[in-house]
Amino acid sequence: QKEVEQNSGPLSVPEGAIASLNCTYSDRGSQSFFWYRQYSGKSPELIMFIYSNGDKEDGRFTAQLNKASQYVSLLIRDSQPSDSATYLCAVNTANFGNEKLTFGTGTRLTIIP
Amino acid sequence: EPEVTQTPSHQVTQMGQEVILRCVPISNHLYFYWYRQILGQKVEFLVSFYNNEISEKSEIFDDQFSVERPDGSNFTLKIRSTKLEDSAMYFCASSEEIWGSPIYFGEGSWLTVV
Repeated sequence: QKEVEQNSGPLSVPEGAIASLNCTYSDRGSQSFFWYRQYSGKSPELIMFIYSNGDKEDGRFTAQLNKASQYVSLLIRDSQPSDSATYLCAVNTANFGNEKLTFGTGTRLTIIP
Repeated sequence: EPEVTQTPSHQVTQMGQEVILRCVPISNHLYFYWYRQILGQKVEFLVSFYNNEISEKSEIFDDQFSVERPDGSNFTLKIRSTKLEDSAMYFCASSEEIWGSPIYFGEGSWLTVV
């Protein structure tokens, strides 16, 4: 069974601080990794995707991937109250030639004004 | 910004009835997916579809389920003989390429089986 693990939280971060979200995965062959934001009752909204080891930055968001440690993280700088949501880590666990995302349970993030 | 659209947003059906959920993927995308999320649980993969064929499916996607691309724009999920445990949010998603491109989700269809 290919698993994606996240701390369910809740994670509380003061407004303006850095929020750090972590995810580990079991399938060593996974090649693509995604972070989605999900507001209550809404659909997953793509925030970042990363394929190579290292950091990838997009605005206030930075995704970090370490395939050797099977670890992917998301940093949110200058956190805003609107960042309060559940953040889903998703890993492509399909065989080559297919896409099949396996999701973690999500980390609930609350930004405190 | 292009988006995946889904209808209906909410459907209530009686146990044993058939349901069709509809999706219009992003226009230049070639790969289509259905996922579901039971209330309070993880998002789960159901099926992926490319070139008018299922390319991968999960254990959940049994004979009760089927997918179809009836025309050039719609992508449907049919659930036959619905059960109480089929109550969930069903998400359609699409991507431009099979690997290396992001997967975008629609707003979801909330199915309640009574």
